[in-house]
Amino acid sequence: DVKVTQSSRYLVKRTGEKVFLECVQDMDHENMFWYRQDPGLGLRLIYFSYDVKMKEKGDIPEGYSVSREKKERFSLILESASTNQTSMYLCASKKLVNEKLFFGSGTQLSVL
Amino acid sequence: GESVGLHLPTLSVQEGDNSIINCAYSNSASDYFIWYKQESGKGPQFIIDIRSNMDKRQGQRVTVLLNKTVKHLSLQIAATQPGDSAVYFCAESYSGNTPLVFGKGTRLSVIA
Repeated sequence: DVKVTQSSRYLVKRTGEKVFLECVQDMDHENMFWYRQDPGLGLRLIYFSYDVKMKEKGDIPEGYSVSREKKERFSLILESASTNQTSMYLCASKKLVNEKLFFGSGTQLSVL
Repeated sequence: GESVGLHLPTLSVQEGDNSIINCAYSNSASDYFIWYKQESGKGPQFIIDIRSNMDKRQGQRVTVLLNKTVKHLSLQIAATQPGDSAVYFCAESYSGNTPLVFGKGTRLSVIA
């Protein structure tokens, strides 16, 4: 089975801190994605990556950046955390042509 | 159906009955559709997918129906069980490798 692992299940940070959310997948998937999930708003795409060193903005990239130095790892970075970035963050991956997304368990981030 | 507001639509179903969850998608060019199930505190799990060259696909206890004329997708769950209680998301994509666009979800509540 595909495994997408997010490094933290719960995270509490202070406003202005730099925050790193890590995601690792073990199935040699080319594509990786970061979504945030808020009540009533569904899943919104922040950034995605089609391959190593590549990145594309999603629908809500403001306040975020990403890093894909290795194929299996996709990091989401909050340069200066703000309270409106309190959310559930979901990482996902898939093969290039197989469109089924596999999700991690999520990281619930609280910014105080 | 899919919500455009802050509150998820909820479908309450008696255990053993069939459930039908509906989704109106937005892009007539979309050619791939997928359903996910998300239980509380977990990441979304793949249920079933369908491509636009089909109008019906069956899995184990689940059926997805696609009506391209009215841009409508539905998920049917046969003999609904308490373990089916979750939030269900539909998603669409087009042009092969574009990111999935998710609906806002429907909460299924199974009454024992």
